[in-house]
Amino acid sequence: AQSVTQLGSHVSVSEGALVLLRCNYSSSVPPYLFWYVQYPNQGLQLLLKYTTGATLVKGINGFEAEFKKSETSFHLTKPSAHMSDAAEYFCAVTPKGSGNTGKLIFGQGTTLQVKP
Amino acid sequence: GAGVSQSPSNKVTEKGKDVELRCDPISGHTALYWYRQSLGQGLEFLIYFQGNSAPDKSGLPSDRFSAERTGGSVSTLTIQRTQQEDSAVYLCASSMAQIYNSPLHFGNGTRLTVT
Repeated sequence: AQSVTQLGSHVSVSEGALVLLRCNYSSSVPPYLFWYVQYPNQGLQLLLKYTTGATLVKGINGFEAEFKKSETSFHLTKPSAHMSDAAEYFCAVTPKGSGNTGKLIFGQGTTLQVKP
Repeated sequence: GAGVSQSPSNKVTEKGKDVELRCDPISGHTALYWYRQSLGQGLEFLIYFQGNSAPDKSGLPSDRFSAERTGGSVSTLTIQRTQQEDSAVYLCASSMAQIYNSPLHFGNGTRLTVT
């Protein structure tokens, strides 16, 4: 079965430092890939997605992610962390194919802490 | 415009009682999803509705859980004979179409506490 692994349930960075949140998926056929962010007491918000085309995708709030097929990875990065980036981040996938009902399979989430 | 609306935002119930959670999707969105977010369990898919098609119920954890979507709009998730392990945040999401070309829009969730 398709699965998503996010390495590190908690990541702490200093304000202004690089943010790197790791995500790996398990399937021989690359799925559609997503990153969502969840702020406290709110629902999830789409940061970015990869479907086809350029493997480096840019999202909102200065985040970007690169799809690497050889590594089955879709890591999320931001060059300079801001205090407002503190939130929980979820990597998610949905398999390609006509039988896909559209459900997202989520990773366990990574809580990003930004220290002043 | 309005986003996905869920009610109630918080629900405390006694073990053994039934609860109903409501979701109002974004107008015009044909796809509707329910997810459960538990501490240590991440986000679990529960059920998916798409237009008039039969729903994908493959994520419902037991027969105590059911959901319906009336008129292709509002959805209700019902949990019968609640158990303490049902305590979680229940998230609803909707989208225009297949999610690879239409992102999911999530509500703020209903936090269910079973005492």
